[in-house]
Amino acid sequence: RKEVEQDPGPFNVPEGATVAFNCTYSNSASQSFFWYRQDCRKEPKLLMSVYSSGNEDGRFTAQLNRASQYISLLIRDSKLSDSATYLCGIYNFNKFYFGSGTKLNVKP
Amino acid sequence: DVKVTQSSRYLVKRTGEKVFLECVQDMDHENMFWYRQDPGLGLRLIYFSYDVKMKEKGDIPEGYSVSREKKERFSLILESASTNQTSMYLCASSPRQGLLKDYGYTFGSGTRLTVV
Repeated sequence: RKEVEQDPGPFNVPEGATVAFNCTYSNSASQSFFWYRQDCRKEPKLLMSVYSSGNEDGRFTAQLNRASQYISLLIRDSKLSDSATYLCGIYNFNKFYFGSGTKLNVKP
Repeated sequence: DVKVTQSSRYLVKRTGEKVFLECVQDMDHENMFWYRQDPGLGLRLIYFSYDVKMKEKGDIPEGYSVSREKKERFSLILESASTNQTSMYLCASSPRQGLLKDYGYTFGSGTRLTVV
């Protein structure tokens, strides 16, 4: 079983829509959680850390569900510029595991 | 801003060549990592290092070696390049574990290596 799994998508949504992605992880002792954004042919960039109590940054909300072992990213009022691939990153005893990414296409 | 700099954006090498990929970070980070990223396979860890002259194998170390002689520099070496090593190579750095939770990894801009 993979350490981290994501639905590859693509998620095709209209501008203004709300969209959510999940990322499941296999190790219940995982310590830290992150969402990264990766544009085509560029490096991943940290979007936000995911805290136990959930956290929000503008239109983006990240949540952690330890009981079901997944993290989620909610994007409200989608913009064209949100089109990208979103990777989850899970830190586990000195190793960082990444999902393969979920592709989001926001259409006009 | 943390900067992780990879020496080349694009590289074309011949089969059998020895290839050096360089990575330098300017934020005094203890930890440095090399990944390769392939469509459908995501990011796979090749090697990592938590200190100068220290290295650990990741999930796919075969065909690669690394060197960390200085804290800021982590080099990936392809001993004898093969076509199946054609990929996007990403270097990353992070602070020590106690600070990782808040800062995560910072990636370099990547090197797209083609082996012909």
